[in-house]
Amino acid sequence: GQNIDQPTEMTATEGAIVQINCTYQTSGFNGLFWYQQHAGEAPTFLSYNVLDGLEEKGRFSSFLSRSKGYSYLLLKELQMKDSASYLCAVPDSNYQLIWGAGTKLIIKP
Amino acid sequence: TAGITQAPTSQILAAGRSMTLRCTQDMRHNAMYWYRQDLGLGLRLIHYSNTAGTTGKGEVPDGYSVSRANTDDFPLTLASAVPSQTSVYFCASSDSEKSPLHFGNGTRLTVT
Repeated sequence: GQNIDQPTEMTATEGAIVQINCTYQTSGFNGLFWYQQHAGEAPTFLSYNVLDGLEEKGRFSSFLSRSKGYSYLLLKELQMKDSASYLCAVPDSNYQLIWGAGTKLIIKP
Repeated sequence: TAGITQAPTSQILAAGRSMTLRCTQDMRHNAMYWYRQDLGLGLRLIHYSNTAGTTGKGEVPDGYSVSRANTDDFPLTLASAVPSQTSVYFCASSDSEKSPLHFGNGTRLTVT
């Protein structure tokens, strides 16, 4: 079967760097998505990785290792507005997304 | 502003009653989805539609039905609500199966 694991909650300081990990088990691999979800709001797309390596997009970067079934989201120069849940998702064999439970990131001043 | 519109925003429903959650998109996306989100759990797929006229069952389809008469609309119906269907429901769409999802703002449903 398929499974996605993420830490439930993380705390970081404004201005710092935080890495949010995601491990997955899938029967095949069709890429990995990261979404951001502020409390009470809808998820919004952050990144999509299908090849190994790091993809940088401003303050946010996403890394993928297919051989290890592992991804992380790296957030730099943290701002208070980055307080949110970060969701990892992978498509199954029918391209329907399987979602992790999300990591709640708390930013402290 | 283009996007996905869900209605209602929130609803309190008595157990045993029926209800239809509405979802409309104006991006001409082929695929549409209904998810429920519960505390401590990931988003779970209820039903999906890869194109107008077709629908499929997701991970948790029991107690729900959908239709896709046209590209824009994808309503979700609860025929006889039960308290375990208390949740936040998100409608989403995508241009293709490999494209990111665009989400509506959600419907918060409480079944009493």
